[in-house]
Amino acid sequence: QVQLVESGGGVVQPGRSLRLSCVASGFTFSTYGFHWVRQAPGKGLEWVAVIWYDESKKYYADSVKGRFTISREISKNTVYLQMNSLRVEDTAVYYCARAGQGYSLDYWGQGTLVTVSS
Amino acid sequence: QSALTQPPSVSGSPGQSVTISCTGTSSDFGSYNRVSWYQQPPGTAPKLMIYDVTNRPSGVPDRFSGSKSGNTASLTISGLQAEDEADYYCSSYTSISTWVFGGGTKLTVL
Repeated sequence: QVQLVESGGGVVQPGRSLRLSCVASGFTFSTYGFHWVRQAPGKGLEWVAVIWYDESKKYYADSVKGRFTISREISKNTVYLQMNSLRVEDTAVYYCARAGQGYSLDYWGQGTLVTVSS
Repeated sequence: QSALTQPPSVSGSPGQSVTISCTGTSSDFGSYNRVSWYQQPPGTAPKLMIYDVTNRPSGVPDRFSGSKSGNTASLTISGLQAEDEADYYCSSYTSISTWVFGGGTKLTVL
């Protein structure tokens, strides 16, 4: 069955960096794009970034553009989110999701919590 | 990249129907039919319920249906059940190749 497992979250000081990982299993990794979506405590979902199945395209939300980078490593069935210059407002649960039919996000991981605090 | 507009809350009794609206701009919805809906029970990850405005993924009950008119999409849940109580989010692919979510709607089953 399709599984997405995020890791790499934790507590980090403002201005520092963190890299999240999302390991995929149960399907052919190389044929799917992936998203990162975040959810601040008690708040709604916010789309963060997407990477095409062939890495040909990457797009970002304005709130993270220039600070976050999405990438993938086919040999490890893994998607990454490199987060630099972190801000307090980046505090959230970060979800990895597979790009599904019709530009949907059809499978989601359980999320990893990132807390940016001094 | 403004969020799509959803009502903060809706409610209904078991067996009734409820509709959740999702309003965007022409740059959000445009001529695309790329609207999806997600269900998120408390403390869990979101689950895809509807894609391409009207399509249900395998395993989603046919009590869930979607529609769209102009810049407003809607999710209708008929025959409400206690297990439907959750937050619901709409989402759309935009004209600048990004995605945007609605603010979320809390469904309470009375």
